[in-house]
Amino acid sequence: ETGVTQTPRHLVMGMTNKKSLKCEQHLGHNAMYWYKQSAKKPLELMFVYNFKEQTENNSVPSRFSPECPNSSHLFLHLHTLQPEDSALYLCASSRETGPSQPQHFGDGTRLSIL
Amino acid sequence: DAKTTQPPSMDCAEGRAANLPCNHSTISGNEYVYWYRQIHSQGPQYIIHGLKNNETNEMASLIITEDRKSSTLILPHATLRDTAVYYCIVRGTTDSWGKLQFGAGTQVVVTP
Repeated sequence: ETGVTQTPRHLVMGMTNKKSLKCEQHLGHNAMYWYKQSAKKPLELMFVYNFKEQTENNSVPSRFSPECPNSSHLFLHLHTLQPEDSALYLCASSRETGPSQPQHFGDGTRLSIL
Repeated sequence: DAKTTQPPSMDCAEGRAANLPCNHSTISGNEYVYWYRQIHSQGPQYIIHGLKNNETNEMASLIITEDRKSSTLILPHATLRDTAVYYCIVRGTTDSWGKLQFGAGTQVVVTP
């Protein structure tokens, strides 16, 4: 049990579908993150939220739209994705964004685009 | 640019201590050393981190050399469930908004 829960664990969708990934943390943290992990590539930071405010958008295409309604929940809305977007999408949280605070990850959503 | 260097793989016998090395010769004074591991099909799991002093928690010990150019993660009694890819990461205030930069890591296989 990681304290960070992601749903769904697996998602298959067509390129024209709209879907959302959900992340919930029970750790009382104030910062939340979305990462993308593609096969044979290192983790790529996508978005950072600190106290519900987006503080980082790492040049992510607009077909990925994050939402952070409160410090415990983070969503990633998906629309008109491409096959190269197939990957493991990981959510993480930390007490704050500074380097002394560890990030704790969920187990991810395995996304496949048909 | 890679900030850390780790061996690509290592084996360890179950019940023995596993010592995982990491070189970070360009580390600066405000950068922390972090260790994570990732078991197949799961998210990365935080293990331990430190700045200058050695650290110990319920999972592992982190030994940082005095010049801070290298460190060793010690799993005191390896079990089969410790088989995973282990990542050594250097992280400081220059990493934008807490970005974690994962490299290739060390594939650790614990054998019976």
